[in-house]
Amino acid sequence: QKEVEQDPGPLSVPEGAIVSLNCTYSNSAFQYFMWYRQYSRKGPELLMYTYSSGNKEDGRFTAQVDKSSKYISLFIRDSQPSDSATYLCAIGKRDSWGKLQFGAGTQVVVTP
Amino acid sequence: DSGVTQTPKHLITATGQRVTLRCSPRSGDLSVYWYQQSLDQGLQFLIQYYNGEERAKGNILERFSAQQFPDLHSELNLSSLELGDSALYFCASSDRMGKETQYFGPGTRLLVL
Repeated sequence: QKEVEQDPGPLSVPEGAIVSLNCTYSNSAFQYFMWYRQYSRKGPELLMYTYSSGNKEDGRFTAQVDKSSKYISLFIRDSQPSDSATYLCAIGKRDSWGKLQFGAGTQVVVTP
Repeated sequence: DSGVTQTPKHLITATGQRVTLRCSPRSGDLSVYWYQQSLDQGLQFLIQYYNGEERAKGNILERFSAQQFPDLHSELNLSSLELGDSALYFCASSDRMGKETQYFGPGTRLLVL
């Protein structure tokens, strides 16, 4: 069983819709949570990171963490065609020297 | 642009061969991480170096090795290559050992024929 599970999609939404992405993890020892965006044939780009349960907002992006359920989410408001990419969740433990566990990535397609 | 550079961008080689991938971290970053991304395995952590010393190992094969040099650039050596080693190899860097925010380079696409 993988330590972090993520639906690979693809997830297709119309422009302007809210994109909802999520991951589940199995080990409560994970303490920090990130979302990366990866365009085709490019390196992952950090979008959001958080340490605590609750919501964190940055522009059109909101990251949500529920440690009790071991569930993390990313919401993208007012989605644009330029948001079409693969979104990867990543989780880590403070005592593991930055060794991140990545989800499989969800491919998102925003159609004009 | 993350500030992390990787060379070469593309590499085509044959089974049994050896290749070296190079990574230059962001200015000031002491930690370098190597990842492999394939279609069936996703993004897998391979190894981390901090200021020249190995700090963490992940799913790295014995045929693979890495090092970080005094100028902080890093090289990943892949030997006795197999078809299944074809993948994207990413380098990431961060400014501290265990610092969570990792910045990724553009990757090296390796094709083993």
